[in-house]
Amino acid sequence: AQKITQTQPGMFVQEKEAVTLDCTYDTSDQSYGLFWYKQPSSGEMIFLIYQGSYDEQNATEGRYSLNFQKARKSANLVISASQLGDSAMYFCAMSAAISGAGSYQLTFGKGTKLSVIP
Amino acid sequence: AAGVIQSPRHLIKEKRETATLKCYPIPRHDTVYWYQQGPGQDPQFLISFYEKMQSDKGSIPDRFSAQQFSDYHSELNMSSLELGDSALYFCASSRTQGATGELFFGEGSRLTVL
Repeated sequence: AQKITQTQPGMFVQEKEAVTLDCTYDTSDQSYGLFWYKQPSSGEMIFLIYQGSYDEQNATEGRYSLNFQKARKSANLVISASQLGDSAMYFCAMSAAISGAGSYQLTFGKGTKLSVIP
Repeated sequence: AAGVIQSPRHLIKEKRETATLKCYPIPRHDTVYWYQQGPGQDPQFLISFYEKMQSDKGSIPDRFSAQQFSDYHSELNMSSLELGDSALYFCASSRTQGATGELFFGEGSRLTVL
């Protein structure tokens, strides 16, 4: 079974500063994917960044980077130069293929609510 | 680019009524997922379909049923609605071939049960 742990229910960051959102995971699978999604107050689930378990380099997407430490089973999200529009709930998730089923099992953490202060 | 389309976006029902949510996946995506997100909760997996067959089942109540049709759209039927069914229901789709396991989410259908 997969498990995602996000230990920070809420975080505050000053505008233009960087912030790290923590995520640790537990799985016995060798092949898996790690994702971060952003959910603003409007409710939609917005994909931010992906890291494959076999990727040697940390993923980056614009102001988002994923600090992947496989041995520690952590996949922290770093947001640089925070903006007011970054205020939202952030979910870490892990995906693993379901053998023979053609689908993926995506497990979410409890989320971290980020508030950006002007 | 086309995204996952969900309808209706908002739905208000009374207890014991029935509700149907629809989902249109991204073209050429062969798998559809349904998730339920209660207030202040993380999304919980309900059910998935791969090539119109149920591929996985999560914490879906017996009062709920779902199916995927020949055009790959999916419907989630909820009967005997309870107050606790009030939630945001997400549909997501993915493609199996060469995929990373990323699920593409729709904007969600917000169900309120009064």
